[in-house]
Amino acid sequence: AQSVTQLDSHVSVSEGTPVLLRCNYSSSYSPSLFWYVQHPNKGLQLLLKYTSAATLVKGINGFEAEFKKSETSFHLTKPSAHMSDAAEYFCVVSDRGFQKLVFGTGTRLLVSP
Amino acid sequence: NAGVTQTPKFRVLKTGQSMTLLCAQDMNHEYMYWYRQDPGMGLRLIHYSVGEGTTAKGEVPDGYNVSRLKKQNFLLGLESAAPSQTSVYFCASSYLTSGSSYEQYFGPGTRLTVT
Repeated sequence: AQSVTQLDSHVSVSEGTPVLLRCNYSSSYSPSLFWYVQHPNKGLQLLLKYTSAATLVKGINGFEAEFKKSETSFHLTKPSAHMSDAAEYFCVVSDRGFQKLVFGTGTRLLVSP
Repeated sequence: NAGVTQTPKFRVLKTGQSMTLLCAQDMNHEYMYWYRQDPGMGLRLIHYSVGEGTTAKGEVPDGYNVSRLKKQNFLLGLESAAPSQTSVYFCASSYLTSGSSYEQYFGPGTRLTVT
């Protein structure tokens, strides 16, 4: 069965510094991987997705993630944090042929001025 | 397009009461899902549907029922609410894109409190 582990429940950065949110996955098949963002009291919005094309995936708002099969990782990065990036981020995995997503427990990103 | 909408946005129930949450999507998606979100646990799949008239159990189906009578609507029912069902409920929908990726589109959520 597939699963994801988000290695940090909270990450704190200063505005203008890099962001790294870590995610490891486990999957029996070639996975599809996603990062979703949830701002307070809002629904979830897709940031980016990996579907076996390029291993470096670019998303919205300057975020990107790199699929590393040898490390079973899909870490999310951004070169320079903005105050508006403060939110909860979910790493998600789905096996090919299935429509069901499995969510990590989330990482709350805090951005200080 | 409105995308995925959920009704109601908030609700307070007493233990034992029943209610139905409505999800509607206008993107002609085949697949629809109901999740619950609890602190520290991410989103967990309650039930899902792969097409009109079909439903299936997810990870945490107990205490919930669903129906998909129309392609655009997916209803989640609580027959006898319990405090353990206090949660935020999200509906989502998706279609199968090229390359076999299936991005899900989420509604804004329903915050349910059972006292």
